[in-house]
Amino acid sequence: DAGITQSPRHKVTETGTPVTLRCHQTENHRYMYWYRQDPGHGLRLIHYSYGVKDTDKGEVSDGYSVSRSKTEDFLLTLESATSSQTSVYFCAILQGNTGELFFGEGSRLTVL
Amino acid sequence: DQQVKQNSPSLSVQEGRISILNCDYTNSMFDYFLWYKKYPAEGPTFLISISSIKDKNEDGRFTVFLNKSAKHLSLHIVPSQPGDSAVYFCAAGANFGNEKLTFGTGTRLTIIP
Repeated sequence: DAGITQSPRHKVTETGTPVTLRCHQTENHRYMYWYRQDPGHGLRLIHYSYGVKDTDKGEVSDGYSVSRSKTEDFLLTLESATSSQTSVYFCAILQGNTGELFFGEGSRLTVL
Repeated sequence: DQQVKQNSPSLSVQEGRISILNCDYTNSMFDYFLWYKKYPAEGPTFLISISSIKDKNEDGRFTVFLNKSAKHLSLHIVPSQPGDSAVYFCAAGANFGNEKLTFGTGTRLTIIP
């Protein structure tokens, strides 16, 4: 199994504050993803990366930015958090050539 | 525009019986499909997949069926066990190697002992 660590696992913040979620992997996988999970919406792709400094938008990228300066770290930033960004955020990596994603344990973000 | 749809938010099945979870898709470019299982407070875990060149894939108690003409796939679990109680997500990808999956909204499966 790929080692993925998400931090923080839980965060409560106020509207308008910046928030950064970190995803760290230990196996040099090229592709990394950020999804959010919300009731009634399933898992929706926010941004993904296909290499260092190579990122692209997903279906719900508004209000989010990402950075990948090292292979092992993929950061998700909310520049000014809003209540609509209250969600559970999952990082994932693409394992091998099977099309299978391996997910981290999630980061629960509450924006008050 | 929901390209992958799971129309049943929940499903209850007696232990030992067959569980059938359904998924429909609209994008004819999707050429591989996966099922994920999710327990509370954990990340989704991969269960089984199928490519568009097949119509069935089996792995132990889990079988996925693909009907390309109907743009429909289903996951069969038999026999159902209490540990199968979880949320199940269907996912689809286009151009294997494009590496972006589109997920459905999930079906909560409850196995009744």
